[in-house]
Amino acid sequence: DTAVSQTPKYLVTQMGNDKSIKCEQNLGHDTMYWYKQDSKKFLKIMFSYNNKELIINETVPNRFSPKSPDKAHLNLHINSLELGDSAVYFCASSRGGGTGPYNEQFFGPGTRLTVL
Amino acid sequence: QKEVEQNSGPLSVPEGAIASLNCTYSDRGSQSFFWYRQYSGKSPELIMSIYSNGDKEDGRFTAQLNKASQYVSLLIRDSQPSDSATYLCAVNSGSSASKIIFGSGTRLSIRP
Repeated sequence: DTAVSQTPKYLVTQMGNDKSIKCEQNLGHDTMYWYKQDSKKFLKIMFSYNNKELIINETVPNRFSPKSPDKAHLNLHINSLELGDSAVYFCASSRGGGTGPYNEQFFGPGTRLTVL
Repeated sequence: QKEVEQNSGPLSVPEGAIASLNCTYSDRGSQSFFWYRQYSGKSPELIMSIYSNGDKEDGRFTAQLNKASQYVSLLIRDSQPSDSATYLCAVNSGSSASKIIFGSGTRLSIRP
């Protein structure tokens, strides 16, 4: 059974379109995250939800909007896609939002977004 | 100064030798430290976590933490070709425990 899953795995779209990426975890974790990994492989946090509540909201264009319908799901909607949005987007989850083992994060397989 | 710094490599190590990967961090309030391995085209995989000063061993991997020097390292003993990957050091933010900051990674290559 896949612990953290994402769909789609690949997404190729035109500039200006709107797209969504979905994430689900079956680990029973309370906290979920979205990361962006750019072409230089730098992994940067975008958002985090703890039990459906937004707890981390980094400096991200407001074209990006996360939604957590329940603690097992975290989706990312992107409006008006731009060339610079091309990257791999990873979802992750952890047991909680505290320190120590609660912070150990487990990653999904990633969604490679290409904006043409 | 970057929050989490790693040498980008590539670090080339002969098979069977010890690979030593280093990381420094700037936030003195950080409490949780992680090493992730990422194969090309794959997602990061947690291989070690360490929360107190000293050494922590797990199989061929040893993580070392020195909070006074703000330094964390990963040793891989008996390096295998399958260890060739990018190793990401990650540290939690002292002001926001849930926020993990990643280094840019060290590319490790194990040569036969």
